[in-house]
Amino acid sequence: DAGVTQSPTHLIKTRGQQVTLRCSPKSGHDTVSWYQQALGQGPQFIFQYYEEEERQRGNFPDRFSGHQFPNYSSELNVNALLLGDSALYLCASSLGGRSYFGPGTRLTVT
Amino acid sequence: KQEVTQIPAALSVPEGENLVLNCSFTDSAIYNLQWFRQDPGKGLTSLLLIQSSQREQTSGRLNASLDKSSGRSTLYIAASQPGDSATYLCAVKSNQAGTALIFGKGTTLSVSS
Repeated sequence: DAGVTQSPTHLIKTRGQQVTLRCSPKSGHDTVSWYQQALGQGPQFIFQYYEEEERQRGNFPDRFSGHQFPNYSSELNVNALLLGDSALYLCASSLGGRSYFGPGTRLTVT
Repeated sequence: KQEVTQIPAALSVPEGENLVLNCSFTDSAIYNLQWFRQDPGKGLTSLLLIQSSQREQTSGRLNASLDKSSGRSTLYIAASQPGDSATYLCAVKSNQAGTALIFGKGTTLSVSS
């Protein structure tokens, strides 16, 4: 059984650009959450998708948006990138209250 | 607003020692608590999940306890090994339906041989 997968592994973008990160949840999991982890910090919740709709959102600006597809996979889009968006972006899928995380996408904004 | 604190921020021990990592949270109305391990630059690996109705969970050399009333959890690692070196994160979920995990900043453990 494949776990949570994310792509790409690493990404380098320039300020002002837009980026799309992708996540495939663990088999059978219908809920996908995205987190941002800055260096030396714990992950911060961005938003969660369930049944193709955003169910909950953390304290992130509208530049951060997402989508969930019928197969439960998800995308995270970030527009107008800032230097401060450089971080490890983690996707988690959940079933029954337990969360499983993917390996993350390291985004560097220059 | 739920806040999670982990103490200490970093810990160095010689191989073979038993150790305890601490996690505290401000709102005792939690659904569950999870302990994760994170290797440098990698994703999170779930170690133990404790439901709000439980007092502890064990997996191999790891034991996690939960005291909801005092807002505390501990992760006990027995007979530490160099391979245990990593950052350990504690996270709480406030209710069942689709809520976020609230994380602490983690404790970075270094076990020397």
